[in-house]
Amino acid sequence: SQKIEQNSEALNIQEGKTATLTCNYTNYSPAYLQWYRQDPGRGPVFLLLIRENEKEKRKERLKVTFDTTLKQSLFHITASQPADSATYLCAFSGGYQKVTFGTGTKLQVIP
Amino acid sequence: EPEVTQTPSHQVTQMGQEVILRCVPISNHLYFYWYRQILGQKVEFLVSFYNNEISEKSEIFDDQFSVERPDGSNFTLKIRSTKLEDSAMYFCASSRRDPMSSYNEQFFGPGTRLTVL
Repeated sequence: SQKIEQNSEALNIQEGKTATLTCNYTNYSPAYLQWYRQDPGRGPVFLLLIRENEKEKRKERLKVTFDTTLKQSLFHITASQPADSATYLCAFSGGYQKVTFGTGTKLQVIP
Repeated sequence: EPEVTQTPSHQVTQMGQEVILRCVPISNHLYFYWYRQILGQKVEFLVSFYNNEISEKSEIFDDQFSVERPDGSNFTLKIRSTKLEDSAMYFCASSRRDPMSSYNEQFFGPGTRLTVL
């Protein structure tokens, strides 16, 4: 069966450091891999999308890599701030179809 | 900035009752979705809707569920006879159709917390 795996343990990181979150998948050939942010009691907020033929995508302090050989995506937040504390969701979709989410990794940035 | 809105924010109902969850998607969007998230679990797709019909639905979306776009602005999810396991956060999402792109991001609403007693 198709699986999207994210580290279920919370990631605690010191303010100013780079946070790196991992997303692994099996039995998938996603056209689009996305990262969302979700705050408690709120809906997911789209952050970045990377296509299967792209290796890396950047947006401000965010960077996403996509390795289709390893079946892995890494999500980096540089110069992390306490306001970056949230749960980050890895997700797949194909075009305008449904988005399939991973379970998310909770990030806590410590001042 | 335009956003997806949902009402009510919290709905409490008795098992077996019908509930209607309401969403107002972003005005120029053409694709609409419902997702749910049981407490502590992942966000799960329920149904997508385009051109006034369901384009895809998940196994969760059985005969107890229905969706409707009754007018030009609202998008509703109806659960006919609620069960305890329907208790979850329900998110509406919408996306626009950009002919220059094969993908457009989905914008999610704040959710409706449904509690079935």
